[in-house]
Amino acid sequence: SQTIHQWPATLVQPVGSPLSLECTVEGTSNPNLYWYRQAAGRGLQLLFYSVGIGQISSEVPQNLSASRPQDRQFILSSKKLLLSDSGFYLCAWRRGAGVSYEQYFGPGTRLTVT
Amino acid sequence: KNQVEQSPQSLIILEGKNCTLQCNYTVSPFSNLRWYKQDTGRGPVSLTIMTFSENTKSNGRYTATLDADTKQSSLHITASQLSDSASYICVVSLSGGGADGLTFGKGTHLIIQP
Repeated sequence: SQTIHQWPATLVQPVGSPLSLECTVEGTSNPNLYWYRQAAGRGLQLLFYSVGIGQISSEVPQNLSASRPQDRQFILSSKKLLLSDSGFYLCAWRRGAGVSYEQYFGPGTRLTVT
Repeated sequence: KNQVEQSPQSLIILEGKNCTLQCNYTVSPFSNLRWYKQDTGRGPVSLTIMTFSENTKSNGRYTATLDADTKQSSLHITASQLSDSASYICVVSLSGGGADGLTFGKGTHLIIQP
């Protein structure tokens, strides 16, 4: 069976500090991977997605970046965090194609920038 | 602009009672509509996926309906349990959309009281 992991689960970082969040998927190969952010009172916002190693597409301009160094590893980074980067970060992967594909979310990382 | 509006924003009901959550969307062209359940501090979990040709779909005590003509969906929860306390997110998929092609609602926060 497939499993998606994220770490850390929670993180408190000062403004201006760097960030690295990691996501790994087990039990599948060549998945489409996604990073979302969920701010309080707002819907999920797609940040990045990747269809393969080294292939990253950004949906929202910001001070975040993403990388996919391995097939089942997706990393979200920042060189200098802003207060507005606080939120709940979710990694997801997609199984299947066509209309009724399944999208599975990881457990999330709660980031608080102080 | 593609939007998904959910109502009510929050809802409190007694254990054992039924409830209905609403979702209106303006996404076009429409591909499918999903309902997710998100427990506090966790990633969303898929409940149902419906294409435009499906009017209703059930998953245990959860029943989703879709009216593609009026662009409305509802999620009915029967005989609520304490474990149903969560946020319920309506997600509409854009046909042929790039990236994930998903538009997320802000969710309805449901609280089940004993």
